Amino acid sequence: QQQVKQSPQSLIVQKGGISIINCAYENTAFDYFPWYQQFPGKGPALLIAIRPDVSEKKEGRFTISFNKSAKQFSLHIMDSQPGDSATYFCAASIGSSNTGKLIFGQGTTLQVKP
Amino acid sequence: EAQVTQNPRYLITVTGKKLTVTCSQNMNHEYMSWYRQDPGLGLRQIYYSMNVEVTDKGDVPEGYKVSRKEKRNFPLILESPSPNQTSLYFCASTPLGTGEGEQYFGPGTRLTVT
Repeated sequence: QQQVKQSPQSLIVQKGGISIINCAYENTAFDYFPWYQQFPGKGPALLIAIRPDVSEKKEGRFTISFNKSAKQFSLHIMDSQPGDSATYFCAASIGSSNTGKLIFGQGTTLQVKP
Repeated sequence: EAQVTQNPRYLITVTGKKLTVTCSQNMNHEYMSWYRQDPGLGLRQIYYSMNVEVTDKGDVPEGYKVSRKEKRNFPLILESPSPNQTSLYFCASTPLGTGEGEQYFGPGTRLTVT
């Protein structure tokens, strides 16, 4: 079963626009929600992460919005640039369990057109 | 340089011919994991290990084996590969005890089974 559902599967945005990727989760025990960025030919790398005690976290042009009651979180990329073109994965884990296990969403391929 | 390495990066093989994909990390991480990445399915965990001689099944373990005889190495073994194991494989490691779940991924191994 897919515990983390991600949408859309693909996204095309003009340079300077806002990219928005959404994720929904089922397990209320999840308490750590990272986003990973993957460039072609590379492994995923941690981009930004949030814990459910805050509703928003911002790092530069990247913002995570978190809605605990709806069990949803999203990644916003402001002023999107061609260099942001990559595949993005949301994920969730039970951080307090200390097992290291992450559940990933299906991934979103973002293309930013110049 | 802290890194996770995988070999080979590309592999084409035939059905039934045993193969091993190696994974090594130089960060002294306890937790190591194998994922496969397929379009529309995201990253799915195959096997994981929480320390030397401690391994367990992930979400899609059928047809795979692993071993953890040394802390830094975590090879993935396909004893009788089949075409449905054609995929992109990633090894990852993370330190336990952080509660953050950040995983460090290798560069990937693209496997084709004909």
